[in-house]
Amino acid sequence: TQLLEQSPQFLSIQEGENLTVYCNSSSVFSSLQWYRQEPGEGPVLLVTVVTGGEVKKLKRLTFQFGDARKDSSLHITAAQPGDTGLYLCAGGENAGNMLTFGGGTRLMVKP
Amino acid sequence: GAGVSQTPSNKVTEKGKYVELRCDPISGHTALYWYRQSLGQGPEFLIYFQGTGAADDSGLPNDRFFAVRPEGSVSTLKIQRTERGDSAVYLCASSLTRDRVRAGELFFGEGSRLTVL
Repeated sequence: TQLLEQSPQFLSIQEGENLTVYCNSSSVFSSLQWYRQEPGEGPVLLVTVVTGGEVKKLKRLTFQFGDARKDSSLHITAAQPGDTGLYLCAGGENAGNMLTFGGGTRLMVKP
Repeated sequence: GAGVSQTPSNKVTEKGKYVELRCDPISGHTALYWYRQSLGQGPEFLIYFQGTGAADDSGLPNDRFFAVRPEGSVSTLKIQRTERGDSAVYLCASSLTRDRVRAGELFFGEGSRLTVL
């Protein structure tokens, strides 16, 4: 099983601040997805990155896939209370359709 | 239905009892996944179906856990002789997988919270 480590595990910031969440592995992934999960709900897909070095922007969120396809980062600009939640990265293996999830980063944005 | 439906939403049982958790995926989705999520942690893979067959069951922790998907749609996760350590939220997800090489977007249900006393 390929392991994904996320850091930090917890992050509490004030509204308007910027933050970066990291997802690291020693293994190569064919693709990497980022999900956001709110209490009592299932994770919801934010983005999929598939090419090494790829950068995708989704409004105030910027996602980057490492050149070697072993790591990824999520940067949020001017965080808002609505960004509060559990952010999960998930790596797709080179063969098959199984996704391995990281342990998550729990973000709290205070107004 | 519009989304992935899981029942029951909450299940409280006693140690040693048998439990079934049901997942009704999005219509037409060929891939179905079961994950287990403990408090404050990421989802842990259990099993993945492609159609009726289990394509990967390497995440099932032991032989007390079993899952079926007899008609390629609804799936049931079965847990025998439940233990307190089985307490978690069991998440089901489905995917319309066109690409055989990499996973597509997973659509998750709200989960079934299992508590073993």
